[in-house]
Amino acid sequence: NAGVMQNPRHLVRRRGQEARLRCSPVKGHSHVYWYRQLPEEGLKFMVYLQKENIIDESGMPKERFSAEFPKEGPSILRIQQVVRGDSAAYFCASSPTPRDTGELFFGEGSRLTVL
Amino acid sequence: QKEVEQDPGPLSVPEGAIVSLNCTYSNSAFQYFMWYRQYSRKGPELLMYTYSSGNKEDGRFTAQVDKSSKYISLFIRDSQPSDSATYLCAMMARTGRRALTFGSGTRLQVQP
Repeated sequence: NAGVMQNPRHLVRRRGQEARLRCSPVKGHSHVYWYRQLPEEGLKFMVYLQKENIIDESGMPKERFSAEFPKEGPSILRIQQVVRGDSAAYFCASSPTPRDTGELFFGEGSRLTVL
Repeated sequence: QKEVEQDPGPLSVPEGAIVSLNCTYSNSAFQYFMWYRQYSRKGPELLMYTYSSGNKEDGRFTAQVDKSSKYISLFIRDSQPSDSATYLCAMMARTGRRALTFGSGTRLQVQP
């Protein structure tokens, strides 16, 4: 998977708790994308970030979800007050430049289960 | 109606068969077309990429794009049990949103 590291791989939360998912892109990649995959469905775009900037968050739910990609450290996808419908696999992908034509390198995903 | 439609399968074929996977789409702005392969409990990995219309071949894999019909295909020759996975088509416009739109994936099982 070309070095995109996601953790935790599995996360269990009770309703109302916070979930925090981390993604370290391929070394040298400064563009990070988060996608969500529900069972038996394809990946749905959530957010596109560059270092310290949110470029496109059109796929993010308006409430409870936030993402960041600080100058130092991994990208973080934060889900506050989780509900059962948030249970899904969350995939992070990276690319070296914004001119890339969809050739993304994906991590192995973080699987969130909300009880 | 979804922007990208893909038959979920499952598609079961014997080893050595030729496999044909397809997607249709509605957004005429899509210019980049990709096929990703996803093994169970793993992340997607890029398999094939094409720009605009035409064919592209890589080993046992051939990708075809017919923009006039808004239809893309992936052919796998001499299929192997190791090809058993979910195949996701993905597309992106040349300008504007820098995000892929994925099909729901077709699950392929190659029987030894």
